[in-house]
Amino acid sequence: DAGVIQSPRHEVTEMGQEVTLRCKPISGHNSLFWYRQTMMRGLELLIYFNNNVPIDDSGMPEDRFSAKMPNASFSTLKIQPSEPRDSAVYFCASSPGLAPANNQPQHFGDGTRLSIL
Amino acid sequence: SQELEQSPQSLIVQEGKNLTINCTSSKTLYGLYWYKQKYGEGLIFLMMLQKGGEEKSHEKITAKLDEKKQQSSLHITASQPSHAGIYLCGADTSGNTDKLIFGTGTRLQVFP
Repeated sequence: DAGVIQSPRHEVTEMGQEVTLRCKPISGHNSLFWYRQTMMRGLELLIYFNNNVPIDDSGMPEDRFSAKMPNASFSTLKIQPSEPRDSAVYFCASSPGLAPANNQPQHFGDGTRLSIL
Repeated sequence: SQELEQSPQSLIVQEGKNLTINCTSSKTLYGLYWYKQKYGEGLIFLMMLQKGGEEKSHEKITAKLDEKKQQSSLHITASQPSHAGIYLCGADTSGNTDKLIFGTGTRLQVFP
């Protein structure tokens, strides 16, 4: 079975450019999560969706970041304009549904390694 | 201060040795998830614990959630080079959302 699919795997771009990261969750999973991982701050939740609706975006660092989930099989995380401090590995994860009735583990993609020069 | 603390931060052991990684929360743990990450890859789910006193095993890895539900330990018996990687604990500290917080990870190296 296909896991969570992220693209691109690597992205190098100059500051000021728009960056779009993509995610395809596992089929049938109703919750989707975007995380950022850095050496300094570890793994941080940016935003998560349930049934395509954003539930908690309190982790989104600032207005330069936006996320959408137009349908159950696709989500994007956009940074505009990008800055060097946005350099990190961005992970997407999905799970079957809302806790506690469906307390299931999140399954992660392989991540997008983003470098802003 | 970190809501979820892992210790140690790094560990270097000789192949065949046993080791333990701890994950301590400042809040009640309603669900505790252990993941393993290799460099350049995503997190691989290992085990999930929900009930105080619960213990689960998979091959040579055993995880426990203490009775008071604020600490979990991950124990590896007879470590192998394939166990090397970063181990992260993720916790549900609210009980009513899908949101997890993660520890900073424990980097494990196993040398022959």
